Amino acid sequence: GQQVMQIPQYQHVQEGEDFTTYCNSSTTLSNIQWYKQRPGGHPVFLIQLVKSGEVKKQKRLTFQFGEAKKNSSLHITATQTTDVGTYFCAGWGAGNNRKLIWGLGTSLAVNP
Amino acid sequence: NAGVMQNPRHLVRRRGQEARLRCSPMKGHSHVYWYRQLPEEGLKFMVYLQKENIIDESGMPKERFSAEFPKEGPSILRIQQVVRGDSAAYFCASSPPGSSYNEQFFGPGTRLTVL
Repeated sequence: GQQVMQIPQYQHVQEGEDFTTYCNSSTTLSNIQWYKQRPGGHPVFLIQLVKSGEVKKQKRLTFQFGEAKKNSSLHITATQTTDVGTYFCAGWGAGNNRKLIWGLGTSLAVNP
Repeated sequence: NAGVMQNPRHLVRRRGQEARLRCSPMKGHSHVYWYRQLPEEGLKFMVYLQKENIIDESGMPKERFSAEFPKEGPSILRIQQVVRGDSAAYFCASSPPGSSYNEQFFGPGTRLTVL
């Protein structure tokens, strides 16, 4: 079945360092969404990417959608302790495969 | 506009009892999704419902679990004869009608503990 792999599973950084998480799908996606879940909290929608090669920025966060619409990345510049949490990607299947498939998430820890 | 509401926030059950989890979607939302999350793990899709219809229950265990989203009232996830392995956080999410590709708005979750 369709799968979305997310790497790394865990990442520990010093405050001020950059961080990137990658998302790879086994099939072409219609779009991809990113969510953040703080420890003890619930997932919160961050952004949606739809177009091939699309790049979107939110302050220190940069999101990319691959040309083939099978992979995506989230890059955080100069991490802060408020960035701590788990980042999930979730992709909608293309064509008849109308299902939101979730990655397992990347847990980010930031040392002050 | 109130967000997605879930209750109870915490639920403790003994093995063999029933657990009933409620989810009220955001106003105007007609799509409801249920997810299970074990500690330190990702979200596992369980079921997708629209009003009075189960659209996709491919993630739901075949036995003991059921879900409904009646015409009136909240969506209910019901777990019969709970076992220790059912202990997890159960999240409900909703999205508006129209495109299936909309973002999902999550509730705060119900933390179920089975003793």
